[in-house]
Amino acid sequence: GQNIDQPTEMTATEGAIVQINCTYQTSGFNGLFWYQQHAGEAPTFLSYNVLDGLEEKGRFSSFLSRSKGYSYLLLKELQMKDSASYLCAVYSGAGSYQLTFGKGTKLSVIP
Amino acid sequence: DAGITQSPRHKVTETGTPVTLRCHQTENHRYMYWYRQDPGHGLRLIHYSYGVKDTDKGEVSDGYSVSRSKTEDFLLTLESATSSQTSVYFCAISASGDEKLFFGSGTQLSVL
Repeated sequence: GQNIDQPTEMTATEGAIVQINCTYQTSGFNGLFWYQQHAGEAPTFLSYNVLDGLEEKGRFSSFLSRSKGYSYLLLKELQMKDSASYLCAVYSGAGSYQLTFGKGTKLSVIP
Repeated sequence: DAGITQSPRHKVTETGTPVTLRCHQTENHRYMYWYRQDPGHGLRLIHYSYGVKDTDKGEVSDGYSVSRSKTEDFLLTLESATSSQTSVYFCAISASGDEKLFFGSGTQLSVL
């Protein structure tokens, strides 16, 4: 089976740094995605980690540890527009071409 | 932005009626997916397609069927809608099975 855990909600202050964690237990692993979803909108791609380590892309970074079944998304210099849900998704591969999504973390950025 | 159009954007229907949702893409991507999103459940895969006339079931396929007669169109049909199928439905596409998904704007379906 597939199990992906993320905190349900988080609150952080504008200008600060926030880390959103994701742990997973899946039958097979071929990569981990992070998506951002503003309320009432479609998810949009943020990052994709296949190998262990940190991937940096502007204010956003994503980290993966395959041995620990753990990833995090790091958001720096928070802005009000970063208020959104952040979805962790695992690609288990094995020919199924399916992504399994976590339930998402709703981030609220306050002044 | 990826060229994905979902129709309709909003639909209200009655229990027991058939409903078809349409996803149209202009990217010529091979893979197309239908997800539903519900509070407390996140995004769940209903069905997906890996080519014309090639489809497979996802996690929550009961009560749904799909068809893909052309590369650009992927239809999701609720044969007899139930209130438990009230949800937001997202279509997504990808160039290959392990690449990032591009999502359509979603369809809000209410079954009364």
